[in-house]
Amino acid sequence: GAGVSQSPSNKVTEKGKDVELRCDPISGHTALYWYRQRLGQGLEFLIYFQGNSAPDKSGLPSDRFSAERTGESVSTLTIQRTQQEDSAVYLCASSPSTGLIEKLFFGSGTQLSVL
Amino acid sequence: AQTVTQSQPEMSVQEAETVTLSCTYDTSESNYYLFWYKQPPSRQMILVIRQEAYKQQNATENRFSVNFQKAAKSFSLKISDSQLGDTAMYFCAFMKQRTMEYGNKLVFGAGTILRVKS
Repeated sequence: GAGVSQSPSNKVTEKGKDVELRCDPISGHTALYWYRQRLGQGLEFLIYFQGNSAPDKSGLPSDRFSAERTGESVSTLTIQRTQQEDSAVYLCASSPSTGLIEKLFFGSGTQLSVL
Repeated sequence: AQTVTQSQPEMSVQEAETVTLSCTYDTSESNYYLFWYKQPPSRQMILVIRQEAYKQQNATENRFSVNFQKAAKSFSLKISDSQLGDTAMYFCAFMKQRTMEYGNKLVFGAGTILRVKS
């Protein structure tokens, strides 16, 4: 596609429910990142996928958070038993990973609200 | 670990005037990159400007320029001739030299809300 696509754009859920957030990276981009942005704060790194290598999960805040990516395509971020503190914008970014420094292309994020 | 600090939560500037946003960072890395990103209400992250730490010359992109002081670990953004469309949240970000394991992870500051007034 033309850019990084994320769905849904907005998600409202009840505390304790599970949610799945989807990211469609730019075709051909081998690297994919998930970030969380709490209200009025900067972006926090969650997880990084590079091709078929084991993902870097060092930013996941708890075992309620998990993410998958099939090859170099779509990724899903799953939050189980959501809590109110999970309310945030979840941003996905991708990059081609062909050089020392890469421009990250961001999606417009999913606004998650946990009631 | 790297940290990025933006000490100005909010700034205002009159249209056509100049404004400077501050950023400091802490790292023990010798090779790294610094960025300014703009985030309008659409939530889209837009790269404004970037600076390679090994370059002494400050980066410029049209109305945007940086003052990079490596020894002081300071990286401020100057916006000249401010326009209403510059109203957004601005994030300073750090990236250490890429490895396959680390990728191009960005470490962000908390952001500065910039309001351009007519």
